[in-house]
Amino acid sequence: DIQMTQSPSSLSASVGDRVTITCRASQIISTYLNWYQQKPGKAPKLLIYGASSLQSGVPSRFSGSGYGTDFTLTISSLQPEDFATYYCQQSYITPRTFGQGTKVEIK
Amino acid sequence: EVELVESGGGLVQPGGSLRLSCAASGFSFATYGMNWVRQAPGKGLEWVAGIGGSGGSTSYAVSVKGRFNISRDNSKNTLNLQMNSLRAEDTAVYYCAKGGYHDYWGQGTLVTVSS
Repeated sequence: DIQMTQSPSSLSASVGDRVTITCRASQIISTYLNWYQQKPGKAPKLLIYGASSLQSGVPSRFSGSGYGTDFTLTISSLQPEDFATYYCQQSYITPRTFGQGTKVEIK
Repeated sequence: EVELVESGGGLVQPGGSLRLSCAASGFSFATYGMNWVRQAPGKGLEWVAGIGGSGGSTSYAVSVKGRFNISRDNSKNTLNLQMNSLRAEDTAVYYCAKGGYHDYWGQGTLVTVSS
């Protein structure tokens, strides 16, 4: 199975901050990388697919980049509604493994 | 509007069985692969199983292979997950998710395996 490792596991940030979350795959996955946001008690929501494509309806402050094994999710200016847990997932091969999650908390 | 609604969760004893369903609407169901993803209490997301649009191809996480069976009925726009030989570690909220990108998710159904 492909292992997905996110860092950091958690972070504290203030409204307006630029936030970066990284995800590393244990083998090359091209751009088969998706990012999800999950708020407590809710289903995950797709933010980014194909490493850098913004899902319809997602604010442009979210962006993704990367290729191969190293990927990044960036929130350019953190908003109050962005405090949540973020997961990466590879869709290169089954099982479609997720990272362990990054919890973004209010500083 | 795309909608996915899971059902069938509940309390089951270890070793027991349960069948989950996901009713889909708002898109051409047979055109898309579908998935089950679970989340144990306080834990992260775990992809459980996936099935192709026609139902001809299936795949499973190692943790459930041989115990769970994913299927679909394209005439009823329904995705199913038959879960057998359930263990305490299968306790989780189970979500169905559409397509390779998981672009739509249901609200989830809770499965609790306990004596």
